[in-house]
Amino acid sequence: EAGVAQSPRYKIIEKRQSVAFWCNPISGHATLYWYQQILGQGPKLLIQFQNNGVVDDSQLPKDRFSAERLKGVDSTLKIQPAKLEDSAVYLCASSYGAGGLYNEQFFGPGTRLTVL
Amino acid sequence: TQLLEQSPQFLSIQEGENLTVYCNSSSVFSSLQWYRQEPGEGPVLLVTVVTGGEVKKLKRLTFQFGDARKDSSLHITAAQTGDTGLYLCAKRGYALNFGKGTSLLVTP
Repeated sequence: EAGVAQSPRYKIIEKRQSVAFWCNPISGHATLYWYQQILGQGPKLLIQFQNNGVVDDSQLPKDRFSAERLKGVDSTLKIQPAKLEDSAVYLCASSYGAGGLYNEQFFGPGTRLTVL
Repeated sequence: TQLLEQSPQFLSIQEGENLTVYCNSSSVFSSLQWYRQEPGEGPVLLVTVVTGGEVKKLKRLTFQFGDARKDSSLHITAAQTGDTGLYLCAKRGYALNFGKGTSLLVTP
């Protein structure tokens, strides 16, 4: 079974530039998550989708970050404009359902963003 | 957001040694999960503990959930270089609330 795919794996940009990340979840998984993991910290949820609807985006900096999952499958996360503090690994995860103890989340390898 | 504190932050040991890492909270967990994250990869679920006092074993890894469900520990027996990674505990809700992790380095 194919896992969660993310691209690109690495991205280096200058501050104030824009960047976009792509995620393809495991087939059949209705729930998709984007996490931000700053060096030395655990992942922090940015946004959660259930199919193509947003369940939770309370920690998404909406002045610069946006995300979409138009057809309920693939998702993109965009940052515009980027700041130095956005340097982090951006992890995508998916699960069959939402919540519940046994809806295991499967993570992709992440995109490492460096903002100079 | 429930704050999860993990200790130690860093740990460097030699192969064959035993170690324990901890995850604590001031609030009660309904359940707790442990993940391992290897460099360049996403976290991978190791175990879920639900019942206070519960002990689960996964080969050389032993996970314990405190009786009061406010703390948990992960003990590794006879560590191997393949155990190197970031060990994260997480509270499970609709999404995951992670601690900062313990970075473990096992050297030959």
